[in-house]
Amino acid sequence: NAGVTQTPKFRILKIGQSMTLQCTQDMNHNYMYWYRQDPGMGLKLIYYSVGAGITDKGEVPNGYNVSRSTTEDFPLRLELAAPSQTSVYFCASSFPPGTGPDSPLHFGNGTRLTVT
Amino acid sequence: AQKVTQAQTEISVVEKEDVTLDCVYETRDTTYYLFWYKQPPSGELVFLIRRNSFDEQNEISGRYSWNFQKSTSSFNFTITASQVVDSAVYFCALSSDNYGQNFVFGPGTRLSVLP
Repeated sequence: NAGVTQTPKFRILKIGQSMTLQCTQDMNHNYMYWYRQDPGMGLKLIYYSVGAGITDKGEVPNGYNVSRSTTEDFPLRLELAAPSQTSVYFCASSFPPGTGPDSPLHFGNGTRLTVT
Repeated sequence: AQKVTQAQTEISVVEKEDVTLDCVYETRDTTYYLFWYKQPPSGELVFLIRRNSFDEQNEISGRYSWNFQKSTSSFNFTITASQVVDSAVYFCALSSDNYGQNFVFGPGTRLSVLP
């Protein structure tokens, strides 16, 4: 049982490049999330999904896109990378709140992205 | 809108001292859930506790305890007899069924436990 797996762990991008951050979970969770954590700051929600085929914007969606074709996978796409997107990106998953001990967020280990 | 405030940006204590991390939340929902997460220097996020809005009973787990008070919209976290391994950033978070499944995180409190 791997939990939430993110790849890559680290990446350096040049301004204007694109990339996809991969996230997969093996806990059959309905909900998946992408957060970014800027240095010394809390987590801000980029996008989330309540099930396959359904995605919605969070607090800071600009410059990102997501898709949810399967329950397991929730990739995050960065188009035209900018220095402001330098951050640590966390993928997370959960069951709906209140459905039991698994309703907390389960986080991946993060992807540290630098855009120069 | 939902909001979580952690007014203490950084706290330093000496090992074996008790320390309380404050968390104040805002929500209009009657059903909501509160969480604490720990982020050690290695960077991963570790779930510590969940509490729902209907359960105001305080909880103790080893050296950790949590005080949930709806009257003051607070969910404070106390570490008793702190240890160096407790050094981390601690995040309080809020979620509810009626807010798009969004977990709202506070800015975090960085705790340094000195030997």
